[in-house]
Amino acid sequence: QVQLVESGGGVVQPGRSLRLSCKTSGFTFRDYGMYWVRRAPGKGLEWVAIIHFEGKNMYYGDAVKGRFTISRDISKSTLYLQMDRLRADDTALYYCARAGIPGTACIDYWGQGTLVTVSS
Amino acid sequence: EIVLAQSPGTLSLSPGERATLSCRASQSVRSNYLAWYQQRLGQAPRLLIYGASIRATGIPDRFSGSGSGTDFTLTISRLEPEDFAVYFCQHYVSAPYTFGQGTKLEIK
Repeated sequence: QVQLVESGGGVVQPGRSLRLSCKTSGFTFRDYGMYWVRRAPGKGLEWVAIIHFEGKNMYYGDAVKGRFTISRDISKSTLYLQMDRLRADDTALYYCARAGIPGTACIDYWGQGTLVTVSS
Repeated sequence: EIVLAQSPGTLSLSPGERATLSCRASQSVRSNYLAWYQQRLGQAPRLLIYGASIRATGIPDRFSGSGSGTDFTLTISRLEPEDFAVYFCQHYVSAPYTFGQGTKLEIK
């Protein structure tokens, strides 16, 4: 079955960096686009980034553009989110998700999330 | 950028009642590329509906989606205790793949 397991979250000071990982299994990783989505305390879901299935096209939300980088390692079936110059408002539960509805960017599976807290 | 506005912000109903949730887009959602997700407390979101009206695998038939263009609706015909959660809509036309702000469905 499809599994997405995030890791790498933790407490980090403002201005520092963190890299999140999402280990996947149960499907052919290279054939799917993948998302990062976050949910800050008391807020709704916010789209962070997407890497399309071909691995060449990546897009970012305005709040993270220029600071975060999405990437993947097909050999490890793992998705990454490199987060630089972190700010307090990046504090959130970060989910990876699969864009699994054929021919679209619609999310069909979500991981359980990893918590990032940016605080001095 | 497509902005999605969900209403109401909070909906208070009793088990067995019918729930109607709205998602309005700032511009037409091409090909009805609109999804609904349920997020229970402490859990990851779960896909309920995609293509505005197609139930995802394993979703009970009390959940239905409708609408096109800019106005979309999620209906839960008879609420079960496990349906009390937060519901989000999202479009997947093109980046930015924005979400609505959510509707919290609470027990009256």
